[in-house]
Amino acid sequence: RKEVEQDPGPFNVPEGATVAFNCTYSNSASQSFFWYRQDCRKEPKLLMSVYSSGNEDGRFTAQLNRASQYISLLIRDSKLSDSATYLCAVIASNTGKLIFGQGTTLQVKP
Amino acid sequence: DVKVTQSSRYLVKRTGEKVFLECVQDMDHENMFWYRQDPGLGLRLIYFSYDVKMKEKGDIPEGYSVSREKKERFSLILESASTNQTSMYLCASSPGQGTFYGYTFGSGTRLTVV
Repeated sequence: RKEVEQDPGPFNVPEGATVAFNCTYSNSASQSFFWYRQDCRKEPKLLMSVYSSGNEDGRFTAQLNRASQYISLLIRDSKLSDSATYLCAVIASNTGKLIFGQGTTLQVKP
Repeated sequence: DVKVTQSSRYLVKRTGEKVFLECVQDMDHENMFWYRQDPGLGLRLIYFSYDVKMKEKGDIPEGYSVSREKKERFSLILESASTNQTSMYLCASSPGQGTFYGYTFGSGTRLTVV
């Protein structure tokens, strides 16, 4: 089983739609959680950290469920420019390494 | 903004060549990392370093080595390049304080081994 798993998609949604991605992790010692955005043929860029109480940044909301060991990313009012691959990443306290999921591809259509 | 700079954007090398991939960061970060990214496999950690002259194996270190002689520079070395090392290589860095900071990535080196 992979340490961090995501549905690769693609998710095809119309502009203005709300879309949610989930990411599960297997290491219960995981303590830091992140969402990255990666555009085609570019490097991943940090979108947001995920805090225990959940956090919001404009149209983006991240949540953490420690009991079920998953994190989620909600995008409201999707824009064409949101089309990208979204990677979740997890650091476990017993390894200190940032482990990535495979990424979920989002295509926002006009 | 932290800048992580990788020396080459595209490289083409022959099988058996020794290949050096260079990475430099300008924000005095303690931690540096090398990943490779392949379709369907995502990002996989090759090696990392938490301090000068220190290195740790990641999940796929075979066929690679690293060097960190200065804090700002972390080099990935392919001792004898093979075609299965054709990939996108990404360098990253992060501050040393705890594990609460995300990593900042360089723009990547797309290596083709022929």
